[in-house]
Amino acid sequence: KQEVTQIPAALSVPEGENLVLNCSFTDSAIYNLQWFRQDPGKGLTSLLLIQSSQREQTSGRLNASLDKSSGRSTLYIAASQPGDSATYLCAVRPKQAGTALIFGKGTTLSVSS
Amino acid sequence: GAVVSQHPSWVICKSGTSVKIECRSLDFQATTMFWYRQFPKQSLMLMATSNEGSKATYEQGVEKDKFLINHASLTLSTLTVTSAHPEDSSFYICSARDWQQNNYGYTFGSGTRLTVV
Repeated sequence: KQEVTQIPAALSVPEGENLVLNCSFTDSAIYNLQWFRQDPGKGLTSLLLIQSSQREQTSGRLNASLDKSSGRSTLYIAASQPGDSATYLCAVRPKQAGTALIFGKGTTLSVSS
Repeated sequence: GAVVSQHPSWVICKSGTSVKIECRSLDFQATTMFWYRQFPKQSLMLMATSNEGSKATYEQGVEKDKFLINHASLTLSTLTVTSAHPEDSSFYICSARDWQQNNYGYTFGSGTRLTVV
């Protein structure tokens, strides 16, 4: 059974710092991996989607990497800002047809000004 | 890009009543939609997979008679929480994928905060 783990569970940094969020998964049979942002009481905003054949994706200050063979992904946030404060969720899409995403518990990030 | 609309965004109901939550794909067709539940400070847990024109598939431990799912069209799935109780209070969120765009990820609705009093 696929399990997704995110470390750390919470992170507090001062503004301007570069940071890395970690995600690991137990079964490498995935189509893709997706990083989401969730603000308190809100839905999910997709940040980056990495296909299983890809190694990384970039969007602005965000860079996500994927090492499928080792079951790991990282989300790198450059020059963090207070507006980046949110919970970041990692999810994998298993290779079984029609299956839902499997989520980690998230990393709650707090960036202080 | 793909947009999923979910309504209502929040609802308060009395114990014993039923609540219906709608999930619509606005600019694409979704033969399959997924319903998740999220308790405070927890991750999203899949409740059921909603299939257009057929019965939903429920995850282990989810009561199908309590959480009724209807997926009558390619753009609409509904979740009805029947005879709601305070322990059903949670954040419910749906998702869908544009199956014609295989490279797209899953798109999520904005969620529904259900409070049962």
